[in-house]
Amino acid sequence: AAGVIQSPRHLIKEKRETATLKCYPIPRHDTVYWYQQGPGQDPQFLISFYEKMQSDKGSIPDRFSAQQFSDYHSELNMSSLELGDSALYFCASSARTRGTDTQYFGPGTRLTVL
Amino acid sequence: AQKVTQAQTEISVVEKEDVTLDCVYETRDTTYYLFWYKQPPSGELVFLIRRNSFDEQNEISGRYSWNFQKSTSSFNFTITASQVVDSAVYFCALSEIDRGSTLGRLYFGRGTQLTVWP
Repeated sequence: AAGVIQSPRHLIKEKRETATLKCYPIPRHDTVYWYQQGPGQDPQFLISFYEKMQSDKGSIPDRFSAQQFSDYHSELNMSSLELGDSALYFCASSARTRGTDTQYFGPGTRLTVL
Repeated sequence: AQKVTQAQTEISVVEKEDVTLDCVYETRDTTYYLFWYKQPPSGELVFLIRRNSFDEQNEISGRYSWNFQKSTSSFNFTITASQVVDSAVYFCALSEIDRGSTLGRLYFGRGTQLTVWP
């Protein structure tokens, strides 16, 4: 079965640079969620989109922005990167309109800021 | 506010032992989902089970079983006859059920690192 696809899987950036993470949800899933997991931490919710509209917002820094496109893929844009942004970034998708509220996670993008 | 507590930070067992991972949650919502996810050393988050607040039936899937008790706000996970491949971090999580909006973020516990020794 198709899973959530995230790219790139690994990313190394310098401080103050920008990064773009991409997420391709499971086909026919209408909701995308982004989470950030620091080393040894639990995943923290950043933001979600339902049918291409922002549906919920968590502890996402103002330096980050995200959107969901017409083909339902989503991108997380991160600017002015800081050392503390080094983390594993997960995208998850679900099919809320079909009553499937289980979030299935992608493999994650490991971002290292030097 | 929602909160999930996994009091056990680390558990070590020897293969074939049974092990129970505890999860206690807090929510003011009357309808909610509870989840368990597994995070092996490779890092991905693997969905194991979802339970909604109306369904207190326990569930068994192979060597895995889950005990949901609303009266004590607990959703514990037992692995029977543990194996080395069960070594991972296990997260308990909670989300709201709200058909009127599009919320549904997951609130995770801090996770339990399970190590199974051969």
